[in-house]
Amino acid sequence: ETGVTQTPRHLVMGMTNKKSLKCEQHLGHNAMYWYKQSAKKPLELMFVYSLEERVENNSVPSRFSPECPNSSHLFLHLHTLQPEDSALYLCASSQGVGEGETQYFGPGTRLLVL
Amino acid sequence: EDQVTQSPEALRLQEGESSSLNCSYTVSGLRGLFWYRQDPGKGPEFLFTLYSAGEEKEKERLKATLTKKESFLHITAPKPEDSATYLCALVSGGYNKLIFGAGTRLAVHP
Repeated sequence: ETGVTQTPRHLVMGMTNKKSLKCEQHLGHNAMYWYKQSAKKPLELMFVYSLEERVENNSVPSRFSPECPNSSHLFLHLHTLQPEDSALYLCASSQGVGEGETQYFGPGTRLLVL
Repeated sequence: EDQVTQSPEALRLQEGESSSLNCSYTVSGLRGLFWYRQDPGKGPEFLFTLYSAGEEKEKERLKATLTKKESFLHITAPKPEDSATYLCALVSGGYNKLIFGAGTRLAVHP
């Protein structure tokens, strides 16, 4: 595997379900990010992790719970989601969180909440 | 407040017809402007980073330029495989936070 991988690629869940999205980066980076891309809206940053520590929570509802057990893996735990949470969830990584560090994205998980 | 605006929203070109995409921005101190390409159902693919006005970068048929208020992505003699959404993003705030524009959907027809 190379670059940034995400699983699953597609997910359908009910509003009462609990599911998790997984991201793995094979670039030796120390920073990881979660973004949300909704239809007709720009990419929105959700969370930033640096060396497994959460350094930014961009006013994201508590029904989204991130976890970063090590610098290569990032999870997004989902529970009691709403239909408006349906979107493409993208993971990215960069060498660090220095200004202007290039972020490399995974292919995304397409989430549909029914 | 930092802001990124891309235009046009959509652009249709004939193969070989050169054009430019615009990214206008306002930011309190430019720390990096990024261009990405995104194909349907995929994650954004990094193209360029620009850091200061006057800077230019090229890759194949693409050339990115930067002024103090806007960036342009010039596409020379495009091919159908250049069809994609092109995203512009600014570093905004600490921890390398990016704010993205809404993108320009480019369609190149044979």
